[in-house]
Amino acid sequence: AQSVTQLGSHVSVSEGALVLLRCNYSSSVPPYLFWYVQYPNQGLQLLLKYTSAATLVKGINGFEAEFKKSETSFHLTKPSAHMSDAAEYFCAVSDQGGKLIFGQGTELSVKP
Amino acid sequence: DSGVTQTPKHLITATGQRVTLRCSPRSGDLSVYWYQQSLDQGLQFLIQYYNGEERAKGNILERFSAQQFPDLHSELNLSSLELGDSALYFCASSVGLAKNIQYFGAGTRLSVL
Repeated sequence: AQSVTQLGSHVSVSEGALVLLRCNYSSSVPPYLFWYVQYPNQGLQLLLKYTSAATLVKGINGFEAEFKKSETSFHLTKPSAHMSDAAEYFCAVSDQGGKLIFGQGTELSVKP
Repeated sequence: DSGVTQTPKHLITATGQRVTLRCSPRSGDLSVYWYQQSLDQGLQFLIQYYNGEERAKGNILERFSAQQFPDLHSELNLSSLELGDSALYFCASSVGLAKNIQYFGAGTRLSVL
């Protein structure tokens, strides 16, 4: 069975600092991996996805993630945090049928 | 705007009642997914339809049912509601399956009193 673990339910960074949100997955088949962001009172918006092409994936708003098979990880990074990045971030793995299995989410706070 | 429309945005009802949540997918998307988001369970997959047929089921209670109509819109029916059913219910749609991007609606917030 596939699963996702997000390390850290809450991450706080200063504006301009590096953002690192951790995600580890478990999958018996080559995974499709996604990062979604949820702003308060809104639905989920796709940041980026990995579908077995390049291991370094660039997404929207300056975010990127690197797929590391040996570490079963798909961590999300952004070089410089903005106040507008404050939101909840979800890592997800998709099975062959398409349903998404989500991690528990990481709430990102950005301090001025 | 994701292009996925969910109605209503908010629903307040009492225990034992039945409600219907509606989802209109993006134009051209054949696959519809329903997810439940709650504080204790997080985001959980409920059920998936593809071109009118049920494709996959997750941790969906027997009191819950769904369908996808010929025009591809979908409805999630929740009956004999309990306090614990209070949650945010999301619909998502995609063109196909597997690695296709799922686009999420804004959700329906259900409060069972």
